[in-house]
Amino acid sequence: AQKVTQAQTEISVVEKEDVTLDCVYETRDTTYYLFWYKQPPSGELVFLIRRNSFDEQNEISGRYSWNFQKSTSSFNFTITASQVVDSAVYFCALRRVIQGAQKLVFGQGTRLTINP
Amino acid sequence: DTGVSQDPRHKITKRGQNVTFRCDPISEHNRLYWYRQTLGQGPEFLTYFQNEAQLEKSRLLSDRFSAERPKGSFSTLEIQRTEQGDSAMYLCASSSGGNYGYTFGSGTRLTVV
Repeated sequence: AQKVTQAQTEISVVEKEDVTLDCVYETRDTTYYLFWYKQPPSGELVFLIRRNSFDEQNEISGRYSWNFQKSTSSFNFTITASQVVDSAVYFCALRRVIQGAQKLVFGQGTRLTINP
Repeated sequence: DTGVSQDPRHKITKRGQNVTFRCDPISEHNRLYWYRQTLGQGPEFLTYFQNEAQLEKSRLLSDRFSAERPKGSFSTLEIQRTEQGDSAMYLCASSSGGNYGYTFGSGTRLTVV
């Protein structure tokens, strides 16, 4: 079975600080996809990134960066120089690659609050 | 195309009543998903359609729940004889296949009183 754990329930930092959101996953599959989504107060889940398990190269997109380590089954997300608009609930998710497998398995989410 | 639309945004119903939610996916997306999200938790998969065919259903989808996607366009999710435990946010998402992230709607928040 697949499982995603986000141990940090809530994080609160002051604006401009860097913050890392942790994600640990469990799967017996050798190939899979990992995702991060942002859920602002409006409720809509906003797609941030998808990562293939066979590609361990870290990725940076502006102030966002992702550190994927297959050896420790982790896919952590760092926001550099945080801003108040980054305040939201962030979800990590896992999806199998096998044909027909479409569902996303989400973690419990981390509520991030950026204080001015 | 303005994304995935869900209607209504909020629904308050009395226990025992039936409710129906609608989801309009992105027009070129052939895949549609329903998820349920309770307070403080991540979304949980309910069911998945490819065109009009319902290909996967979660065990969470009890016999009081039914979903349809006639003609492979919009979808409806009906809950019969609602219970207080059904109170949650019901999220719809769509995708065009491949392996990209899904586009989610803003959800329908159901409160059963």
